[in-house]
Amino acid sequence: KQEVTQIPAALSVPEGENLVLNCSFTDSAIYNLQWFRQDPGKGLTSLLLIQSSQREQTSGRLNASLDKSSGRSTLYIAASQPGDSATYLCAVSWRRDDKIIFGKGTRLHILP
Amino acid sequence: GAGVSQSPSNKVTEKGKDVELRCDPISGHTALYWYRQSLGQGLEFLIYFQGNSAPDKSGLPSDRFSAERTGGSVSTLTIQRTQQEDSAVYLCASSLEGRGANYGYTFGSGTRLTVV
Repeated sequence: KQEVTQIPAALSVPEGENLVLNCSFTDSAIYNLQWFRQDPGKGLTSLLLIQSSQREQTSGRLNASLDKSSGRSTLYIAASQPGDSATYLCAVSWRRDDKIIFGKGTRLHILP
Repeated sequence: GAGVSQSPSNKVTEKGKDVELRCDPISGHTALYWYRQSLGQGLEFLIYFQGNSAPDKSGLPSDRFSAERTGGSVSTLTIQRTQQEDSAVYLCASSLEGRGANYGYTFGSGTRLTVV
């Protein structure tokens, strides 16, 4: 069964710290992996998309890495800010024409 | 359009009534997905469209749920005889498929359904 797991479920860190969010998936033959953020009561905002042939993607203070062989992806947030507080979701697709399966997310709280 | 548009943004309905939720994907996006997010839960896949056909309906919770897509564009998710456990946020996403690649998924803001 294809599953996506995110650890930790919740995280609180002081402003300014660098942090890492983890995502693991069963079945390493993925098609792509996407990180989203969700603010309370809002929809999902796409952060980074990593194709199966890629090892990492960067956007501003965010860097996402992909290690298919170990079934893992990490989202690195540099110099965290209170505005980064949100739920971060990892989503994996195993085929081009297929649904994406989400992890349950990591609730991040940046302390001012 | 510039993004995925969902309507209504909020819907309160009485138990037993039927509801229709609408999703207007990004122009040119051939793939469209419906997900459900219940309070405190993760995202649950409901149905996927490629063009107007639905190759994967495996996530629909019961035969009270149905969805259609017309003209390769707008999709409607219909819930008949709503129950309180149908209360959730219903999210729609679309993606551009081409040259063997998927270019990521764009989500709408969702419809918050409350069944009273």
